[in-house]
Amino acid sequence: QVTLRESGPALVKPTQTLTLTCTFSGFSLSTSGMCVSWIRQPPGKALEWLARIDWDDDKYYSTSLKTRLTISKDTSKNQVVLTMTNMDPVDTATYYCARTNRIQLSIGAFDIWGQGTMVTVSS
Amino acid sequence: QSVLTQPPSVSAAPGQKVTISCSGSSSNIGNNYVSWYQQLPGTAPKLLIYDNNKRPSGIPDRFSGSRSGTSATLGIAGLQTGDEADYYCGTWDSSLSAVVFGGGTKLTVL
Repeated sequence: QVTLRESGPALVKPTQTLTLTCTFSGFSLSTSGMCVSWIRQPPGKALEWLARIDWDDDKYYSTSLKTRLTISKDTSKNQVVLTMTNMDPVDTATYYCARTNRIQLSIGAFDIWGQGTMVTVSS
Repeated sequence: QSVLTQPPSVSAAPGQKVTISCSGSSSNIGNNYVSWYQQLPGTAPKLLIYDNNKRPSGIPDRFSGSRSGTSATLGIAGLQTGDEADYYCGTWDSSLSAVVFGGGTKLTVL
């Protein structure tokens, strides 16, 4: 069974750096075709894709946020980490990690999602 | 403002069929596969349709997808009250090298 779980602080202050961890099981990010993305959703608003890391360590970022984002993986721990610098109240959102299995799905599809973690940016 | 355009809301009676549109451009829907997600209140999105018209295991055939040119459509037949949710389309955008989503459509089953 494939599962993903997000973890990180529930509250960060403006200008601080946010670090989120996605811990997954049921697959390996060293397996060809596996990818993990971060996606966020402000309260009452739409989904916004943030970043993706692939099995071969290729990385992709949202054009509008790329200067603030870094995505990395620790294959031995089955974890993907996202850091976002210079946090602002508009970054308040639920942050999800999600898997793409490129063997079975196209690159824009996410077959398994974590439950999400709510992050509030406030002083 | 989302790259893909969806109607904010749709509604229909139980048992009826509803369609949700998703409009994009040649850099996204026109040349890449579309997926659809259902988000029930307070939960994470769930994959309903991938590669334009394929259903993951466990998704009933009441849900269908299609693509024509730079638009895609999600169809839901035999509506049930449990289908009330937000629905999102998504795809890869080759110009942005990024995944893009629609703004979401709220389905109300009257």
